[in-house]
Amino acid sequence: DAEITQSPRHKITETGRQVTLACHQTWNHNNMFWYRQDLGHGLRLIHYSYGVQDTNKGEVSDGYSVSRSNTEDLPLTLESAASSQTSVYFCASSEFSGGNTEAFFGQGTRLTVV
Amino acid sequence: GQNIDQPTEMTATEGAIVQINCTYQTSGFNGLFWYQQHAGEAPTFLSYNVLDGLEEKGRFSSFLSRSKGYSYLLLKELQMKDSASYLCAVTGAGNNRKLIWGLGTSLAVNP
Repeated sequence: DAEITQSPRHKITETGRQVTLACHQTWNHNNMFWYRQDLGHGLRLIHYSYGVQDTNKGEVSDGYSVSRSNTEDLPLTLESAASSQTSVYFCASSEFSGGNTEAFFGQGTRLTVV
Repeated sequence: GQNIDQPTEMTATEGAIVQINCTYQTSGFNGLFWYQQHAGEAPTFLSYNVLDGLEEKGRFSSFLSRSKGYSYLLLKELQMKDSASYLCAVTGAGNNRKLIWGLGTSLAVNP
């Protein structure tokens, strides 16, 4: 069965370190998204990609970067981790087919910056 | 601007019916989604509406009125496992494949 997986599931890192969160999907979807979810803020879009070599900034992109070198993967990098980046991160993928862009989510990565 | 509003919290009794409302103001519209998210888990797809009217899927139904910018999710025969957060999301027009998310409604089902 096709799936979308994130790793690691939990991560503790120190302020100032570079951290990369992995996202791998086997749906062969063109669209991939990274969100963070915090109490009181809901799901906020960090970066997204509509295909290989395409990346775009979302509403909360500062301090984050992504690259899309193949269809399956969209790693999210925190250039210099800050305590404000402590959050739960979700990766999602979808295939645009008319209007129904149902998104499939990974299990989430809980990141703590100390 | 773009905005999606949902109630923050709701409570209901096992076996009852509950309606969760969602209103939206977005620049363009290409469909409305409802997702369910249990605590500590990822959101999972429940329903999609692009035309006005009611879509029924088992115990869950979703309604859309595009002219009013309004949707609701109806949950019947509530079960304890329905305790979760319910997220409303809208896609923009054309090739805009991003979802605009509401903050979610936390539903507690009591025995």
